[in-house]
Amino acid sequence: IQLTQSPSSLAASIGDRVTITCRASQTMGSALAWFQQHPGKPPKLLIYETFTLHRGVPSRFSGGGSGTEFTLTINSLQPEDFATYYCQQFDYYPPITFGPGTRVDIK
Amino acid sequence: QFHLQQSGQGLVKPSQTLSLSCAISGDSVSSDSAGWNWIRQSPSRGLEWLGRAYYRSKWYVDYADSVTGRITINPDTSKNQVSLQFNSVIPEDSALYYCARDENRVIDYWGQGTLVTVSS
Repeated sequence: IQLTQSPSSLAASIGDRVTITCRASQTMGSALAWFQQHPGKPPKLLIYETFTLHRGVPSRFSGGGSGTEFTLTINSLQPEDFATYYCQQFDYYPPITFGPGTRVDIK
Repeated sequence: QFHLQQSGQGLVKPSQTLSLSCAISGDSVSSDSAGWNWIRQSPSRGLEWLGRAYYRSKWYVDYADSVTGRITINPDTSKNQVSLQFNSVIPEDSALYYCARDENRVIDYWGQGTLVTVSS
C-alpha cells in the first residue's frame, strides 16, 4: 500500500487553519496515524486510529477521513507547529508505510 | 518512565556489517502487546520501515521486502533490548536509524536516532 500526501509543503501564518491530506492506494480501515517532526528530532505521535488524539497533544490537532482519504487539521496554527507532518498506516502490515511528508513553513 | 536508548556505530565501511542496539526501559521486550521496530530516514527514501520483532506466545520477526536477506532483528530478553544487524551495507544505506515501539499497532515512542554513514 502506498501513501501520498498533499500538499508536499505549505506556508501559513500564526492563527491559520491548516489541513493536510493523506491518500492511500487501497481502501483502509482505521489504522492511520499522524506524526509531527521537528528538525533533528524523532517523529512525535499526534493522532492514531484516524481520529484519536495521543495524550498530551493539544486539541487544536484533529484527524478524520475514511477509505482512501484521511486528513490532519491544525486549528489556529501556533509557532511550535511549524514542522513536517507524516501519515502512517498499520492496516496492511507488513509492511508499515509512511507518507512522504508535508512541510509547514511560516508565511 | 518509558525510554528507548540507541547505541551502535555511526560510521561503517561499504560491504561491512552495521550493528545497532536499542535498550528498553519502562517496558519488557517480551510484552505481548508491543512491537519493536527499526525505521530509517533519509532525504531520498523518507521514513522507511525496516522490520519488527514482537512476542505473542512466541517470537515473530517481519522484514521489509527491500531489505529482506540483508538485515536481522534480534530481541534479547536478558538485556531487555532489540538489535539490528545490517549486512553488506552500501552508501545508499546511509541514514538516520531509529528504533520505535508500537503498542497495539500504534507507534508511540521513538529512540533518539543514530546517524549512520556508509563510507570508506
